[in-house]
Amino acid sequence: GAGVSQSPSNKVTEKGKDVELRCDPISGHTALYWYRQSLGQGLEFLIYFQGNSAPDKSGLPSDRFSAERTGGSVSTLTIQRTQQEDSAVYLCASSFWSGQPQHFGDGTRLSIL
Amino acid sequence: DQQVKQNSPSLSVQEGRISILNCDYTNSMFDYFLWYKKYPAEGPTFLISISSIKDKNEDGRFTVFLNKSAKHLSLHIVPSQPGDSAVYFCAVSPLIQGAQKLVFGQGTRLTINP
Repeated sequence: GAGVSQSPSNKVTEKGKDVELRCDPISGHTALYWYRQSLGQGLEFLIYFQGNSAPDKSGLPSDRFSAERTGGSVSTLTIQRTQQEDSAVYLCASSFWSGQPQHFGDGTRLSIL
Repeated sequence: DQQVKQNSPSLSVQEGRISILNCDYTNSMFDYFLWYKKYPAEGPTFLISISSIKDKNEDGRFTVFLNKSAKHLSLHIVPSQPGDSAVYFCAVSPLIQGAQKLVFGQGTRLTINP
């Protein structure tokens, strides 16, 4: 497809389980970003990739959160030992390079029971 | 400590009139500014941007104004159409750092009444 693709669109899991969220950026986009939006909040930056490296991980809220990107394309965001406060919509964005506007996917709605 | 504030959670405008959405920021290091529109269950859609070297940028019905001394950003939509009903987020970035680590406001829900 032409846009940023995220999967799954919805994920419900029990507290303490690990989850993996996937992002497939727009073809040719070298920069990739993860954000999350908790209920009633604005979007919060998590991590940024340029190619396969992550020069800015400053937004990851705890060491339970990690992300990787392989082949300069697909990225996965992993949350270990999920907690109820991790419930949010996780959004991925990509841009041609880091100075260009970011284009967002439709997000993964994560619910921790 | 909110670096970006959209003080109006909601705004209602008559179709055909002008919609004005406002955004204030605190850090003078921000030098790239964007507006996004978001429909329910969809990701934000990029609308328009402006860099700190300009004070106005226009794209069709959308115009963004930047007042650097006041640290104030606004989006004008004219004429407003029913399809413009959505949540609008302003976002700012210190572009000088290279990475576009966007800082978002809380959003303003715009409703266009027929």
